[in-house]
Amino acid sequence: SYVLTQPPSVSVAPGQTARITCGGYKIGGKSVHWYQQKPGQAPVVVVHDDSDRPSGIPERFSGSNSGNTATLTISRVEAGDEADYFCQVWDSNSDHYVFGTGTKVTVL
Amino acid sequence: QITLKESGPTLVKPTQTFTLTCTFSGFSLNTGGVGVGWIRQPPGKALEWLALIYWDNDKRYSPSLKSRLTITKDTSKNQVVLTMTNMDPVDTATYYCAHQYSSSSRHFDYWGQGTLVTVSS
Repeated sequence: SYVLTQPPSVSVAPGQTARITCGGYKIGGKSVHWYQQKPGQAPVVVVHDDSDRPSGIPERFSGSNSGNTATLTISRVEAGDEADYFCQVWDSNSDHYVFGTGTKVTVL
Repeated sequence: QITLKESGPTLVKPTQTFTLTCTFSGFSLNTGGVGVGWIRQPPGKALEWLALIYWDNDKRYSPSLKSRLTITKDTSKNQVVLTMTNMDPVDTATYYCAHQYSSSSRHFDYWGQGTLVTVSS
């Protein structure tokens, strides 16, 4: 089955840039979606289809995808960005949905 | 406005079969491309996709849980039901249902609040 690997944690100072990676075999050929989850809340999609932002999501959130790695970039990080982040793809080979292992973003 | 809400037992005994219901509003599961999925999250752990049902009643299941899961829909009631058999303490998790708006972009754009299910004798 398809596996998505994320770093367990990323720490970043306010105002700096956080980059969260999502590794998977030839993930560049798939559409990657990113979710933000704050404690006690349901996930919220912040980037879909590699780099599209839903309405209401700040431009500070952006995404890219190539080769074996997709990346969620959070620019000008704010305290409110502290959360868990999960990547997700639909694996067309198996017609199944896959979530990444998750990354906890800590704002120092 | 799209909303989804999960309902069902919060405590289940090992080996039991349990049923969760997702009641939704703001969309129709008769609309082409639309799907409703179930995702769970054990305490402190990652999200795990379980199952999804499409507008045309096509169904997909997680390969690791396929033998234990059944997903159905009742479009007249705007509900999707997930049944899981042979429950085990490792199935303790928050269970979410979520909306997928299109087969061309397979992500979940609206989620229910989730319901914590504890498996314990």
